[in-house]
Amino acid sequence: AQSVTQLGSHVSVSEGALVLLRCNYSSSVPPYLFWYVQYPNQGLQLLLKYTSAATLVKGINGFEAEFKKSETSFHLTKPSAHMSDAAEYFCAVSEGTGFQKLVFGTGTRLLVSP
Amino acid sequence: GAVVSQHPSRVICKSGTSVKIECRSLDFQATTMFWYRQFPKQSLMLMATSNEGSKATYEQGVEKDKFLINHASLTLSTLTVTSAHPEDSSFYICSAGTTNEQFFGPGTRLTVL
Repeated sequence: AQSVTQLGSHVSVSEGALVLLRCNYSSSVPPYLFWYVQYPNQGLQLLLKYTSAATLVKGINGFEAEFKKSETSFHLTKPSAHMSDAAEYFCAVSEGTGFQKLVFGTGTRLLVSP
Repeated sequence: GAVVSQHPSRVICKSGTSVKIECRSLDFQATTMFWYRQFPKQSLMLMATSNEGSKATYEQGVEKDKFLINHASLTLSTLTVTSAHPEDSSFYICSAGTTNEQFFGPGTRLTVL
């Protein structure tokens, strides 16, 4: 069975600081990995996805993530936080393409202070 | 990207009534749609996989007779919460899948009084 662990339910950064949201996965097959962002009372928006191509994946809004098989990790980073980045972030894993059902982590709320 | 809509966005109902939530893929056809449930400050939990023209596949612990799913066309799936109770109050989110990605609807907030 697949699973995702997101370390830290809350992460606080100052505007302009580095953002690092951690995600570790468990999968018996080569995984497809995703990061989604959710703003209050809204659905999920895809930030980026890893689908077995390049291990460093660049997404929207300046975010990127690196797939590290040896560490079973897929951490999300952004060099400089903006106030508008404050939201809930979910890491997810699927066994195949995005067409397959996703298993989500518990989410990390990013707080950005001025 | 592709657009998925949900209707209604918010619904309040009395205990014992049934509520229908629609999920539509607006600019693509989706043979598979997924229904998730999200409790406050928690993650999304997959409830069921909806396949066009066939019965939905429910996740373990999800009552299929309580959460009725119909996927009558390639652009529409509906979730009906039957005989709703306060514990069914939640945020329900659907997604529609293509070969490479799932696109999520904006969610429906259900409040059962």
